[in-house]
Amino acid sequence: GENVEQHPSTLSVQEGDSAVIKCTYSDSASNYFPWYKQELGKGPQLIIDIRSNVGEKKDQRIAVTLNKTAKHFSLHITETQPEDSAVYFCAASSQAGTALIFGKGTTLSVSS
Amino acid sequence: GAVVSQHPSWVICKSGTSVKIECRSLDFQATTMFWYRQFPKQSLMLMATSNEGSKATYEQGVEKDKFLINHASLTLSTLTVTSAHPEDSSFYICSASVQGVQPQHFGDGTRLSIL
Repeated sequence: GENVEQHPSTLSVQEGDSAVIKCTYSDSASNYFPWYKQELGKGPQLIIDIRSNVGEKKDQRIAVTLNKTAKHFSLHITETQPEDSAVYFCAASSQAGTALIFGKGTTLSVSS
Repeated sequence: GAVVSQHPSWVICKSGTSVKIECRSLDFQATTMFWYRQFPKQSLMLMATSNEGSKATYEQGVEKDKFLINHASLTLSTLTVTSAHPEDSSFYICSASVQGVQPQHFGDGTRLSIL
């Protein structure tokens, strides 16, 4: 089955810096890669996603890149703000409507 | 749109009690919903896939007689933790997607504490 590895497990940056979180997946059939932000005591919230027919997607300060050949994808947050502090999870799915397999998460801390 | 609601958000009960958690899609129909469990400072682990009108599919290692899932309508799936014990204490989260197409939308989770 699918296995998703995520690095780093913790990331501390200064406000205004960029943050990058990387994930690799094992199943070449995976074709959908979302990123979720989870705040303490709440469910995950989708922040951006990418499908395998696209190499990069951007939404304001957030971008995701996908390298299908290497089977890895990354989350890029620019101009970080304290409210970006949370746990971020990457995930992968092989078919429409199937369950997501999550990475282990990255705790991002943005200090002002 | 695409809101998933869970109830209750927090429950504390004695060992041996059965606890039911509801997951509702508020503004869309969901033929499939997913149940995840998350221990403190860990990732979400898929427990089971809930299919409307049929039996749920459980992941390896998840006891189907322990975690009963019912998906009787297109907007409601329930997870019942039967004869709960302290080791069942966890954060339970459900998700659903519109017409089975990604992305999945998550509920805000249910914090279950068994004394």
